[in-house]
Amino acid sequence: DGGITQSPKYLFRKEGQNVTLSCEQNLNHDAMYWYRQDPGQGLRLIYYSQIVNDFQKGDIAEGYSVSREKKESFPLTVTSAQKNPTAFYLCASSLNRGWSQPQHFGDGTRLSIL
Amino acid sequence: GQNIDQPTEMTATEGAIVQINCTYQTSGFNGLFWYQQHAGEAPTFLSYNVLDGLEEKGRFSSFLSRSKGYSYLLLKELQMKDSASYLCAVSPSRDSNYQLIWGAGTKLIIKP
Repeated sequence: DGGITQSPKYLFRKEGQNVTLSCEQNLNHDAMYWYRQDPGQGLRLIYYSQIVNDFQKGDIAEGYSVSREKKESFPLTVTSAQKNPTAFYLCASSLNRGWSQPQHFGDGTRLSIL
Repeated sequence: GQNIDQPTEMTATEGAIVQINCTYQTSGFNGLFWYQQHAGEAPTFLSYNVLDGLEEKGRFSSFLSRSKGYSYLLLKELQMKDSASYLCAVSPSRDSNYQLIWGAGTKLIIKP
């Protein structure tokens, strides 16, 4: 079955530590996205990528970094500069970045601070 | 600024009908999406509206009025499995680089 796989499902970060969240898709989609979801708030875009080796900052990119070396993979690193990382992180993809293209989501990674 | 408003929570009875509203104020408009999200799970795509009117998909229908900046999701013959959050998202103008503006979601509770 085609889909988006995020791992791990739960992740704990220590003070000063960088952690990487994995996102892999086998839908052959060009565009990929990372969102952060906090209780009572809408999804907020961290980074997005329209094509391999290219990515753009979203609304809340500070303290995060990404790479897009392969079409299937779009890992997100939460750096120690992100002072409030506790949230539910969602990865999504779409066929391309057209306005009418729905985004397909992974099951998410819940990140907490130790 | 750009924003989307949805009710925080709604309660309905199994077998009944419920309407979830979404109002938006954005710099432009290129379509509105509805997603369903069960607790702790991924959002799943329900519908996309870009023209005014009602679009029906089985038990779910979505309505759009661009002049009023308003949409609703109509759920008929409610089932317990419909208990979830419903997210409204707008695709604004070309200048937004195709980013979506998301509402905070409406938590729907279905009672027997």
